[in-house]
Amino acid sequence: QQQVKQSPQSLIVQKGGISIINCAYENTAFDYFPWYQQFPGKGPALLIAIRPDVSEKKEGRFTISFNKSAKQFSLHIMDSQPGDSATYFCAATLLNFNKFYFGSGTKLNVKP
Amino acid sequence: EAGVAQSPRYKIIEKRQSVAFWCNPISGHATLYWYQQILGQGPKLLIQFQNNGVVDDSQLPKDRFSAERLKGVDSTLKIQPAKLEDSAVYLCASSFTSGGAGDAQYFGPGTRLTVL
Repeated sequence: QQQVKQSPQSLIVQKGGISIINCAYENTAFDYFPWYQQFPGKGPALLIAIRPDVSEKKEGRFTISFNKSAKQFSLHIMDSQPGDSATYFCAATLLNFNKFYFGSGTKLNVKP
Repeated sequence: EAGVAQSPRYKIIEKRQSVAFWCNPISGHATLYWYQQILGQGPKLLIQFQNNGVVDDSQLPKDRFSAERLKGVDSTLKIQPAKLEDSAVYLCASSFTSGGAGDAQYFGPGTRLTVL
């Protein structure tokens, strides 16, 4: 059973537009939801993360929106730039553990 | 601060051969993870170490995969014998602890394995 489902698989956005990536999870015990950014040939790097006690977290152009009742969370990239072109993974982890369940990834292409 | 180091970066082998990957975590990080990332998919945890003890290896194919973490620092992941479906990027990650949610995992660049 896939614990975290991510969509879309790929996304093309014009420079300056808003990129939105969605994730849904099954296990209500998950209590930490990070987003990772991965460039080709590199390992994933932590971008931003949220805990379920808040509905939104913003860091610069990146915002996580969290809907606990719907068991969904999303990443919004405002004013998308070509340098944001990468693969983005959402993840979720269990309470008191650090075992991450990753989504399948979204390949973002920001066109200049 | 140096990041997570992995070697080799690329490896091509024939099926049924053996292969080993090496990882050096960030200094002071007690927890080390090995992930398998198949093309187009998210990373899947293979094994998690806390110091030199195994915390979780539920998704490690133990008939062909093995891993060890000597002295609670460096780690090696071995595949013997390799199958075609083992072609993937093998990522190593480390974190300061594993006792609480929110402990960031730092990933190395990965080893891309191709099994022919």
